[in-house]
Amino acid sequence: TQLLEQSPQFLSIQEGENLTVYCNSSSVFSSLQWYRQEPGEGPVLLVTVVTGGEVKKLKRLTFQFGDARKDSSLHITAAQTGDTGLYLCAGAYKNRDDKIIFGKGTRLHILP
Amino acid sequence: ETGVTQSPTHLIKTRGQQVTLRCSSQSGHNTVSWYQQALGQGPQFIFQYYREEENGRGNFPPRFSGLQFPNYSSELNVNALELDDSALYLCASSHGRQNIQYFGAGTRLSVL
Repeated sequence: TQLLEQSPQFLSIQEGENLTVYCNSSSVFSSLQWYRQEPGEGPVLLVTVVTGGEVKKLKRLTFQFGDARKDSSLHITAAQTGDTGLYLCAGAYKNRDDKIIFGKGTRLHILP
Repeated sequence: ETGVTQSPTHLIKTRGQQVTLRCSSQSGHNTVSWYQQALGQGPQFIFQYYREEENGRGNFPPRFSGLQFPNYSSELNVNALELDDSALYLCASSHGRQNIQYFGAGTRLSVL
């Protein structure tokens, strides 16, 4: 059973456009992380959110944690070709001893 | 300060063989987690080691086993390899069981 759903699976947009990707679960997270993974590399942590309703900004990236701590979004403003990669969300669930569970990811391709 | 390093980077085995993958954790980290990432999927948690003891296991059969050494480096062993074991195997280290994980670049295993 996939506990954590990411959408869309694939996204290809032009440089300069804005985009939002989503991470949803039917269970409550104790914390949620967003990672970016490039080909041939391991995932690199972008942000951790813990509090419901929390918003964090990392330059052109805005991360939001849902009020009920069951969902999250990542919004990228004015996408650049360097944003291309696989964006993974990973949640820790209290009822699973805080083990990290990853979604399948959103593969983002920014066209020049 | 060195990051997480994994060896080898690539490996080709045949069905039924055994394989050992190695991970050196980041300096100061006492916890190592192993993940399997199949093509097009997010990482799946295999198990975690904390201070040389297994601390949680995902939905993987017993032929997946591991060790952590006194210097906190770790090994992942897989016996009786199957074709479906072909994947990128990621190691992540952290200071403590629930803290931020830092990933290595992974070992890509191909089973023929």
